[in-house]
Order: sequence, then structure tokens, then C-alpha cells
Amino acid sequence: NAGVTQTPKFRVLKTGQSMTLLCAQDMNHEYMYWYRQDPGMGLRLIHYSVGEGTTAKGEVPDGYNVSRLKKQNFLLGLESAAPSQTSVYFCASSSPGQTSYEQYFGPGTRLTVT
Amino acid sequence: GDSVTQMEGPVTLSEEACLTINCTYTATGYPSLFWYVQYPGEGLQLLLKATKADDKGSNKGFEATYRKETTSFHLEKGSVQVSDSAVYFCALRVNTNAGKSTFGDGTTLTVKP
Repeated sequence: NAGVTQTPKFRVLKTGQSMTLLCAQDMNHEYMYWYRQDPGMGLRLIHYSVGEGTTAKGEVPDGYNVSRLKKQNFLLGLESAAPSQTSVYFCASSSPGQTSYEQYFGPGTRLTVT
Repeated sequence: GDSVTQMEGPVTLSEEACLTINCTYTATGYPSLFWYVQYPGEGLQLLLKATKADDKGSNKGFEATYRKETTSFHLEKGSVQVSDSAVYFCALRVNTNAGKSTFGDGTTLTVKP
């Protein structure tokens, strides 16, 4: 049982390049989330999904797109990377079947945009 | 909207010292409350939780009590170890919110031998 996995672990992009971050979970969770973590700002929700084929905007969605074509996968895309998107990105999942909906996090992707 | 306010860090303690990290919240409904811990280079993991008023969550020697009257969920440990050095996040979730959680900014704890 791997839990939540993220690929890649590290990436350096030039301004204007695009990339996709992949999140996968093997716990059959309905809900999945993408956060970014910046120094002194805690975690900020980018986008989330409440089920296969559905996505919704979070707190800071601009410059990002997401897709949830399969229940176990949640992809985060950057179409034209900017230096302001330099951050650590975390994926998480949770299940409405739990009593308290705690979230399970992946190990993170460290992205640098130059 | 919902919000979580944590004690600002960083916090530096000697081994075996007592720890308290303050957390207060505002919520539009009746929240569940959580403490997550992030060790260097890793993602967040759940440390403890409480789902209703007066519940006490506990794990690995850490405790926190859900205080509805003071809207607080302070994290405590009687004797910290070097291995407790990490970033601690307080969070809440309200039932009607698609499982979304609101996180505090995190408090960095360093324990020196």
C-alpha cells in the first residue's frame, strides 16, 4: 500500500515552459487536492476534486489546470510557468467514508521556475 | 470564512522541555480539528485529531483538547525529544466543505540535545 505518490520529486523549468505533475493514490479515496507550500504562508489550496471527472477551484487556481480522468489519479498542469510558481506542491486525498476526513499527503514536488 | 491562527515560530527548546503550540480557529460550522506534522523533506502526516467539543486527541506523547468555548486546540507535550523537530500545522474541516481543510501557517519546532 503506497498511499499517495507524486512524480516528479524535483523539477526546474524555464519561464514559459509547461509541465504536468502527477498524483496517484491507492486508497480508493473520492476526494483529491493540490496545494502549494511557500515559506511563511502555510498550505494554499490550488484545485480539488470530489470524484472522477470533477474538478473545482481552490484558493489560488490562476495559472494552473487540473484533470481527474481516473479516480486514482489527479494531474496538475502548468501551461506557461512563471517564477511566482516556484514552490513545493503537495497532493492529498481523503474519503467521505471517514468520520473526520483527515487528509493523506504525498511527499511533495519541489518546482523551481527560472 | 474559516481560518486558523497558530502561534508564530520558530520555537527552539532543549530536550525534555515542555511544549505548547497555540492554535485558535474561526469556523462557519462545527469543525473537526487536526494537528499535522511535517518532518524535513516530507509531506504532512496526521498527528492527532478531535471531532467534537471536549474531545482530546493524543499520539506519540502529544495531546490537544477541542475547546469550543475558547475556539482553541493547543498542542502540548510534556517532554520533547530531538526527533520531534518538525513543522506543526493546525487545521480544521467543516462537514459541508467537500472534505476541504483550512490550515494554519505552521510552527517550526527545533529541539536541541
